[in-house]
Order: sequence, then C-alpha cells, then structure tokens
Amino acid sequence: EAGVTQFPSHSVIEKGQTVTLRCDPISGHDNLYWYRRVMGKEIKFLLHFVKESKQDESGMPNNRFLAERTGGTYSTLKVQPAELEDSGVYFCASSPLSLRENTGELFFGEGSRLTVL
Amino acid sequence: DQQVKQNSPSLSVQEGRISILNCDYTNSMFDYFLWYKKYPAEGPTFLISISSIKDKNEDGRFTVFLNKSAKHLSLHIVPSQPGDSAVYFCAAKMAGTALIFGKGTTLSVSS
Repeated sequence: EAGVTQFPSHSVIEKGQTVTLRCDPISGHDNLYWYRRVMGKEIKFLLHFVKESKQDESGMPNNRFLAERTGGTYSTLKVQPAELEDSGVYFCASSPLSLRENTGELFFGEGSRLTVL
Repeated sequence: DQQVKQNSPSLSVQEGRISILNCDYTNSMFDYFLWYKKYPAEGPTFLISISSIKDKNEDGRFTVFLNKSAKHLSLHIVPSQPGDSAVYFCAAKMAGTALIFGKGTTLSVSS
C-alpha cells in the first residue's frame, strides 16, 4: 500500500512568486492534514480536511495560503505571493479516523521543502 | 505560548545505555500524548502513545511515562541503539482537535 506522497520534494522560488504543493493521502483516508515546520521550530498545524470539506483551518497563517481538496482525494496548498517567512518544510498527513476517534496516530508524507529567496 | 515544550534540543547517549527524552505541557485538557520519530528527509512516524488516564505505556524498548500532576511526560529507550538516532517530537491532542507538536529533541546514539 502506498504511503502519503508529496510533490515537489523541494521548491526554490523568489519572493513574490507562486508555489503549489500537492499531497496524495493514503487511499481511503478521509482525514487530511497540512502541517509546517520552520527550521528548528515545532511542527505547526495549518489545516484539516474531512473529505473535501475544511474542518479546521485555524492554523493557516494568512490569506496568501489557499488549500483545496477537490473530490476528497488529493490536496493542494498554494502560496501566493510567497514571502521569505514562508520557507520551511510542509508536511501532509492522513488518517482513516475522525478526530473524535483518532488517538493521534497520523501517517505523514516526506514533506515538501520550500525555500523562498 | 507553546502548549507542548521540549526544552532539550539535543541528547547524546552511548549505545546500550538508556535515553530519556522529556516533554512538558501546559493544557490539562489533553487526552492523548504521543511521540513521533523523524529521520532526515523523511516525515515523522508514530512511535508510541499514552492516554491521559494511564501513567505508563510500554512497547518493546520504548516506554512512555506520564506525570499529570507535573504536566510532564518522558520517553525512555532501553537499550539505545545507533538506529535510534533521530529527532523525537512530543505531541498532544484534545478530543476533536489536531495534534500539537513540540520543537523536537535530536537524539544521537554513538556506538
């Protein structure tokens, strides 16, 4: 069974440009999460999808970030326009269980490293 | 206002000895605590968890202890092996909310 896959693994862009990160969760996992880790800091929650619906987007930093999950399968996270402080590793995770059922075990992808110059 | 704190950025241990990684939290509403392990260029992987109603959970070489009165948990690895060298993240959750992570502790196990 394929794990959570993320693309690209690394993206280097200039300030002001746009980047779109993609996440393919494990097949059948309705719950999809985006997290971000800025170097040396904690892994911070961005948002949570249940199928195609945004369940919680309280961690999204600002309106330059747009996440979608059309059809409830893969998800994209677009940053437009990118700023220097957006640099970091963006992790996607999925789970077959709802937040009420889930004891916290998530399946993470390898992450997409974003460098904004 | 970090709710999950890992105050030691790094820990070095010799192979065969015990590794103790510590984590403190501030929110008494957390119902589950977890440890994730992360190798370079990989995503975090779940290691072990503990419910807030327990004070100990063991899985092979890994044991997590929870002290609710002190709002403290620790991960013990015995015996430590070079393959355990990784970043260890402490995480916690409340019912119906997403995981909250600490900053991580880098464990280096030398042979």
